[in-house]
Amino acid sequence: AQSVTQPDIHITVSEGASLELRCNYSYGATPYLFWYVQSPGQGLQLLLKYFSGDTLVQGIKGFEAEFKRSQSSFNLRKPSVHWSDAAEYFCAVRTGGSYIPTFGRGTSLIVHP
Amino acid sequence: DTEVTQTPKHLVMGMTNKKSLKCEQHMGHRAMYWYKQKAKKPPELMFVYSYEKLSINESVPSRFSPECPNSSLLNLHLHALQPEDSALYLCASRTTGSSDTQYFGPGTRLTVL
Repeated sequence: AQSVTQPDIHITVSEGASLELRCNYSYGATPYLFWYVQSPGQGLQLLLKYFSGDTLVQGIKGFEAEFKRSQSSFNLRKPSVHWSDAAEYFCAVRTGGSYIPTFGRGTSLIVHP
Repeated sequence: DTEVTQTPKHLVMGMTNKKSLKCEQHMGHRAMYWYKQKAKKPPELMFVYSYEKLSINESVPSRFSPECPNSSLLNLHLHALQPEDSALYLCASRTTGSSDTQYFGPGTRLTVL
């Protein structure tokens, strides 16, 4: 079965600083990978996804993520964080034969002014 | 358009009440999901409907009763809930095809007194 690890429970950055949120997965074949963002009291919004092809994926709100097969990672990055980016971020993975994604535990992003 | 709507936004109910949560999507998605989410935790899968038929029930207590009247609508009927059932209830629908992706609604915040 696939699994997802988000090693950081909380990340604190200053507004304007760069951001990297880590995500590692465990699955034998090429997984389908997703990053979702959740603002307080809201649903999950899809930021970006990777299925195949170019390993650097561009998403909404200026986010990007890079799939690294050798490291089993799919880290989320943003060059300059805005205060409105403060939220919970979930990495998710699913296999080609399943339509049920497995979510990581989430990383809470705190942005200092 | 990738919108999933949920009503009500907030719901407070007593342990003897009967209430329903509603989810709607008009994107032609043929798979719909109910998730339960506790604070600072990832969503937990409850039910999956595929082509209006219940395909997955993650051993959810019978006090939660899902219903899919048509391809656009998903209900979750609630009866005799417990305080520990208080949570954010998220609905999602999924595109179909090689790049299928889940899209989430904003959720219903349920409080059981």
